[in-house]
Amino acid sequence: QVQLQESGPGLVKPSQTLSLTCTVSYGSISSTTHYWNWIRQPAGRGLEWIGRISLSGTTDFNPSLRSRVTMSLVTSKNQFSLELNSVTAADTAVYYCAREPTSGTHFDYWGQGTQVIVSS
Amino acid sequence: DIQMTQSPSSVSASVGDRVTITCRASQDIRGFLAWYQHIPGKAPKLLIYETSTLQSEVPSRFSGSGSGADFTLTISSLQPEDFATYFCQQALRFPYTFGQGTKVEI
Repeated sequence: QVQLQESGPGLVKPSQTLSLTCTVSYGSISSTTHYWNWIRQPAGRGLEWIGRISLSGTTDFNPSLRSRVTMSLVTSKNQFSLELNSVTAADTAVYYCAREPTSGTHFDYWGQGTQVIVSS
Repeated sequence: DIQMTQSPSSVSASVGDRVTITCRASQDIRGFLAWYQHIPGKAPKLLIYETSTLQSEVPSRFSGSGSGADFTLTISSLQPEDFATYFCQQALRFPYTFGQGTKVEI
């Protein structure tokens, strides 16, 4: 069964860049039949879709975050990554990675999430 | 953005109960609605997609229905492992958006 696991610093200073990696196991990130997504959930609030990347490098982002987000794939390591720059306390959240079939109607596998706190 | 409103925000239930959770979109989402189960500390799990298609290996006590902007997740007979938070998600257009979640508790 496909597994996804987020990793990265749990604490980031304001104005700096948040960087997270999602490692995919028992499934290939080189698949042309999936997109690779990032989603977050601030404490006490609902889930917010951040964006996605395909094998070709095509990205789609939430307009609310587009100016600050970068996503990339590292196929040799079966990983994909998220960078969010100029972070503030509002970016404090649990961050999830998730796989989406190219039908584009759902996320079939998720990671268990990683807490990121933005604080000095 | 398409707003997704779930109700109730929480429900108290017992093993064997029938539980119904609703999700209302701010517009017609043409059936592009998915349901997930989330147990704290674990990865969210896909239950149903495209309104009513049961994900592989999900028990048949879970079912989904609806059309237009109104959708329902039903658990026909609640089991101990079903106590969790459930949330809906629309996939009609970007940005994908989610309901606030419904906590099913004892």
